[in-house]
Amino acid sequence: QKEVEQDPGPLSVPEGAIVSLNCTYSNSAFQYFMWYRQYSRKGPELLMYTYSSGNKEDGRFTAQVDKSSKYISLFIRDSQPSDSATYLCAMTGSGSSGSARQLTFGSGTQLTVLP
Amino acid sequence: EADIYQTPRYLVIGTGKKITLECSQTMGHDKMYWYQQDPGMELHLIHYSYGVNSTEKGDLSSESTVSRIRTEHFPLTLESARPSHTSQYLCASTYAGDRGLRQYFGPGTRLTVL
Repeated sequence: QKEVEQDPGPLSVPEGAIVSLNCTYSNSAFQYFMWYRQYSRKGPELLMYTYSSGNKEDGRFTAQVDKSSKYISLFIRDSQPSDSATYLCAMTGSGSSGSARQLTFGSGTQLTVLP
Repeated sequence: EADIYQTPRYLVIGTGKKITLECSQTMGHDKMYWYQQDPGMELHLIHYSYGVNSTEKGDLSSESTVSRIRTEHFPLTLESARPSHTSQYLCASTYAGDRGLRQYFGPGTRLTVL
């Protein structure tokens, strides 16, 4: 069983819709939860990260972590065609900040926002 | 945009050839990583480096090797390419001040071995 499960989609929504992307995980040692966005023919870039449980908001993006359910979500409000990309969740333990931190990635959800 | 570069972007090569995928970053990051990414699959860590003259193998077994002679340069070498090596290879780097959570990725090298 994979440590991180992510619905691959593809997910297609109209412009302006609220998008919900999700990941589940099995390793209770994970403490940091990240969302990366990857445009076609580009490398992933970090959107936001959260520590432990709770919510974090950044503009139109909200990340939620529920450690009791081992479930994380990314919500995109007022979605735009420019949000069309693959979204990857990633996680890691607390570890040492000085170490080469190893991230465990989900397989990504491909999102298309239609104008 | 991240100052991390990968060359070549695309490579088609025959079985048995030796290849080196280049990765360079100008951000002065100590830690660098190589990932393998197949369509619809998660990124798999194949090598990482804490700094100059330090390299480690990642979770995914790989027949490739890496070197880190200079901080900014982290090349990956396949001594004898095989069709099973066909994949996208992503290089990334981080700096300690961000707790290593923000990995800056290059654009990737898409390798096809015939």
